[in-house]
Amino acid sequence: SQQGEEDPQALSIQEGENATMNCSYKTSINNLQWYRQNSGRGLVHLILIRSNEREKHSGRLRVTLDTSKKSSSLLITASRAADTASYFCATDGGSTLGRLYFGRGTQLTVWP
Amino acid sequence: ETGVTQSPTHLIKTRGQQVTLRCSSQSGHNTVSWYQQALGQGPQFIFQYYREEENGRGNFPPRFSGLQFPNYSSELNVNALELDDSALYLCASSLVAGHTDTQYFGPGTRLTVL
Repeated sequence: SQQGEEDPQALSIQEGENATMNCSYKTSINNLQWYRQNSGRGLVHLILIRSNEREKHSGRLRVTLDTSKKSSSLLITASRAADTASYFCATDGGSTLGRLYFGRGTQLTVWP
Repeated sequence: ETGVTQSPTHLIKTRGQQVTLRCSSQSGHNTVSWYQQALGQGPQFIFQYYREEENGRGNFPPRFSGLQFPNYSSELNVNALELDDSALYLCASSLVAGHTDTQYFGPGTRLTVL
């Protein structure tokens, strides 16, 4: 399978703590993206990192990419209850056809 | 809000029936992709439409078909519904086909097949 796999499957933390989610994939990629999904609704794009980038920041989000290990991590700093959601990584499988491959996601719960 | 809309929000059908789901892409986007998300799973790519033509298809049978209209809105049709077709169906629009840059997702249509 070309899809990314997130780890852990579920993560439960207190507000103010940091949350780290990992993603592993199997093929070469052009880019990797992270999405958030609240309660089975639509996906919200968080950040895109290209294969020639190693780290990217957006607000409280920090994404790293290690293409030699075929892995990525998403760090959410100072988590809030509103961050409670499922988080998915998506890769393009090295293709330019526009297809995204998703893993099963990490369910993050942030307790007030 | 992404500007991508889908209708209906929820739908209940019985086995063997046919269903049509609709998607309006974000203004200025000419490419629409459809994904199926079963409960507890990540989205699975169904197909993509670019300028009214299919531009790639995932591992779904021919009873899943689609259309894209001149205004770039799109339809997903599923014939001979099966229980396993119960899922959240997501459409995503993007600016250029053949690139996997940011895709903007709609809120989804929840299909239940009884």
